[in-house]
Amino acid sequence: NAGVTQTPKFQVLKTGQSMTLQCAQDMNHNSMYWYRQDPGMGLRLIYYSASEGTTDKGEVPNGYNVSRLNKREFSLRLESAAPSQTSVYFCASSGSWGQGAAEAFFGQGTRLTVV
Amino acid sequence: AQSVTQLGSHVSVSEGALVLLRCNYSSSVPPYLFWYVQYPNQGLQLLLKYTSAATLVKGINGFEAEFKKSETSFHLTKPSAHMSDAAEYFCAVSAPGRQKVTFGTGTKLQVIP
Repeated sequence: NAGVTQTPKFQVLKTGQSMTLQCAQDMNHNSMYWYRQDPGMGLRLIYYSASEGTTDKGEVPNGYNVSRLNKREFSLRLESAAPSQTSVYFCASSGSWGQGAAEAFFGQGTRLTVV
Repeated sequence: AQSVTQLGSHVSVSEGALVLLRCNYSSSVPPYLFWYVQYPNQGLQLLLKYTSAATLVKGINGFEAEFKKSETSFHLTKPSAHMSDAAEYFCAVSAPGRQKVTFGTGTKLQVIP
């Protein structure tokens, strides 16, 4: 049972380079999320997708784009990486919220360093 | 808008002692509240959640939390700390029907032998 799978686990980028973080879930969840985690700041929502075909901005969307490719996959793209985007990125997914709070399942994270 | 404040970025307890991690919330509507745990180099895992049913919520690994509306609090407790409880703990809040979950800044729990 894979759950939420993120790739890559580690990445070092030079300033100005681009890259895409991949995320896939096998739990048939409607909702998917991208968070970044920085020391002392907890998890901050970058973008989320309530269902296939929809995406919405979270707290810190600047410098990022997302694609909800299908129900399983939700990718995060950095078009021109900046040192301020050095962080640990987490993808998460959850089922329907219609009948109460749905548990979010997290991937293992991607440690990104921009030099 | 919803937010949570976790009091204390680091908490140390002796093995066998009571664990108390504090969380206060702010919400314009009745909230849903969560506690997650993160072990080193791993993702977050749900410990427990409050969704307006019983105010005392029991979770995994012997943890529980009590929703107190009058105090806008949702503190996490465990009667007796184990070494394996050493981790970072996050309180989180959302509004019913909303997709966004807002996390606190986290509390690192150290358990001293």
